[in-house]
Amino acid sequence: AQSVAQPEDQVNVAEGNPLTVKCTYSVSGNPYLFWYVQYPNRGLQFLLKYITGDNLVKGSYGFEAEFNKSQTSFHLKKPSALVSDSALYFCAVRDAGNAGNMLTFGGGTRLMVKP
Amino acid sequence: DAGITQSPRYKITETGRQVTLMCHQTWSHSYMFWYRQDLGHGLRLIYYSAAADITDKGEVPDGYVVSRSKTENFPLTLESATRSQTSVYFCASRVGGSSYEQYFGPGTRLTVT
Repeated sequence: AQSVAQPEDQVNVAEGNPLTVKCTYSVSGNPYLFWYVQYPNRGLQFLLKYITGDNLVKGSYGFEAEFNKSQTSFHLKKPSALVSDSALYFCAVRDAGNAGNMLTFGGGTRLMVKP
Repeated sequence: DAGITQSPRYKITETGRQVTLMCHQTWSHSYMFWYRQDLGHGLRLIYYSAAADITDKGEVPDGYVVSRSKTENFPLTLESATRSQTSVYFCASRVGGSSYEQYFGPGTRLTVT
């Protein structure tokens, strides 16, 4: 079975400071990992993914994520937070060995960026 | 580019009634998905479809029915709505092959009274 944990319900950061939103995963094979963002009353928007290759993945809106196999983590980062980054962030995983098509989502982390 | 749309955006229905949520995508994506989003549970997969006339259960399929007669449409039907089905429902789609990211619609907020 595959699973994802987002240990923080909420992350608070001041505008201009770096931000990190944490994600850890569990799969039996190699992971495919994803980050999504959800703004109020909107659907989820795809930010970035890790399939293979470079452990640092760059995505939309200046976000990046670092894949760490030994720590089974895929933390989302941004060097300088904006107030407009305030939203709900979801990490998701797919087990590469899974013949099915399910993405398993974490519970979400609310990011609050204060001016 | 309309992308993926859902209708209605808001729906209130009574316990025991049948209700159908619509999902339409203009990308000709092979795969389509239905999720529900509830506080404390994140997103949970209800059903998905790999192509027209091919559907499969997800994590929480009980009480729901899907069909996919055309590639672009994937309706979700609650045959006899219950209060526990009050939720926000999201439709998503993705291309086939090894590109696994899914693209989501704006959601339908369903309230069962």
